[in-house]
Amino acid sequence: AQSVTQLDSQVPVFEEAPVELRCNYSSSVSVYLFWYVQYPNQGLQLLLKYLSGSTLVKGINGFEAEFNKSQTSFHLRKPSVHISDTAEYFCASYSGGYNKLIFGAGTRLAVHP
Amino acid sequence: DADVTQTPRNRITKTGKRIMLECSQTKGHDRMYWYRQDPGLGLRLIYYSFDVKDINKGEISDGYSVSRQAQAKFSLSLESAIPNQTALYFCATMGEGAREQYFGPGTRLTVT
Repeated sequence: AQSVTQLDSQVPVFEEAPVELRCNYSSSVSVYLFWYVQYPNQGLQLLLKYLSGSTLVKGINGFEAEFNKSQTSFHLRKPSVHISDTAEYFCASYSGGYNKLIFGAGTRLAVHP
Repeated sequence: DADVTQTPRNRITKTGKRIMLECSQTKGHDRMYWYRQDPGLGLRLIYYSFDVKDINKGEISDGYSVSRQAQAKFSLSLESAIPNQTALYFCATMGEGAREQYFGPGTRLTVT
């Protein structure tokens, strides 16, 4: 079965500190992986995606993620966060075998001054 | 114009009422999806459709039904709304191989 696990429900961090949001996926077939951001009272915005090729993927707003097939992980990182990065972040996977986009439960990132 | 539109954007209804949420897209995608979002649970798939004649249940289809009236339109119905269907609902489309995805702005539904 296809599933996505986000290992932290909440991540508090101080402004200008680095952050990593963790995501693990499971699928018996090859997958595409995505990170979305949802700012308060807004819809979903695509941050970045891994389809194939380089395992390090760069996205918008200074975020990047690394696809690790052996560890079935796709962790999201940013070297220095801003107050404006406060939002909920969702990891998602798409498997051609299932033809569905499956989401993790989300990680709430709170950036403090 | 937005690629995926949802109507209404907000709705308050009473227990037992029938309600329909509508979704339209201009991307020409065959694949359309309905999700609901609840705090701490992420987005969960309700129904999805690969074309007008191909409708599939997602993880949490009980209490919901859908209609794919045309390639561009995919409606979600709650036949008899109950309070635990209070949630934020998203419609989405997907291009071939998930390389393109578009989400609607969401419909906030409250069942009292």
